[in-house]
Amino acid sequence: DADVTQTPRNRITKTGKRIMLECSQTKGHDRMYWYRQDPGLGLRLIYYSFDVKDINKGEISDGYSVSRQAQAKFSLSLESAIPNQTALYFCATSIRGLNYGYTFGSGTRLTVV
Amino acid sequence: GDSVTQMEGPVTLSEEAFLTINCTYTATGYPSLFWYVQYPGEGLQLLLKATKADDKGSNKGFEATYRKETTSFHLEKGSVQVSDSAVYFCALSDAGNAGGTSYGKLTFGQGTILTVHP
Repeated sequence: DADVTQTPRNRITKTGKRIMLECSQTKGHDRMYWYRQDPGLGLRLIYYSFDVKDINKGEISDGYSVSRQAQAKFSLSLESAIPNQTALYFCATSIRGLNYGYTFGSGTRLTVV
Repeated sequence: GDSVTQMEGPVTLSEEAFLTINCTYTATGYPSLFWYVQYPGEGLQLLLKATKADDKGSNKGFEATYRKETTSFHLEKGSVQVSDSAVYFCALSDAGNAGGTSYGKLTFGQGTILTVHP
């Protein structure tokens, strides 16, 4: 099993629908992140969480919300999806303290029509 | 705020050619620097890192040196292979310094697509 698992892998949804992307990890890391990837823009941070009770907005949090249900689970929600939220979404984890870098999930490709 | 700028892509090379992908950064404090690689259909994988000035990160024949004087972390490989075709991301981490712990939040460059032909 992968260290960081994202579900679903692909999703097509309609404008205005609510959708949840899920992320779970077996790394035992305390920190979790949600990024979106768009061509030519790299990865941009949506939300991050340093532990279950610590949730922080990233640079592009508008239109998104998150829930850290447990140490190992971090979900991203689009309350009312819009077409410009079509992107590749990545969950990542890291360990506190020593800049070991991130462990990434395989991504969720979301298309909003 | 922190930012990372990578050379414009895409980059197309023949097998065994020399590779350089430029990366420069803007940051306060003393960030750690990373290169990540993304193969088609996959998530990002850490390729190499450097945590202080003059450190050289290396892995799989790739190298990058943390140059504080030029705020750069250029990626190099002496002889590329077809299997190196991927998207490469330069990134920096806000080192914080709050009680010696790291915030660990990564800022990424826009990515550089590398295609290697046989």
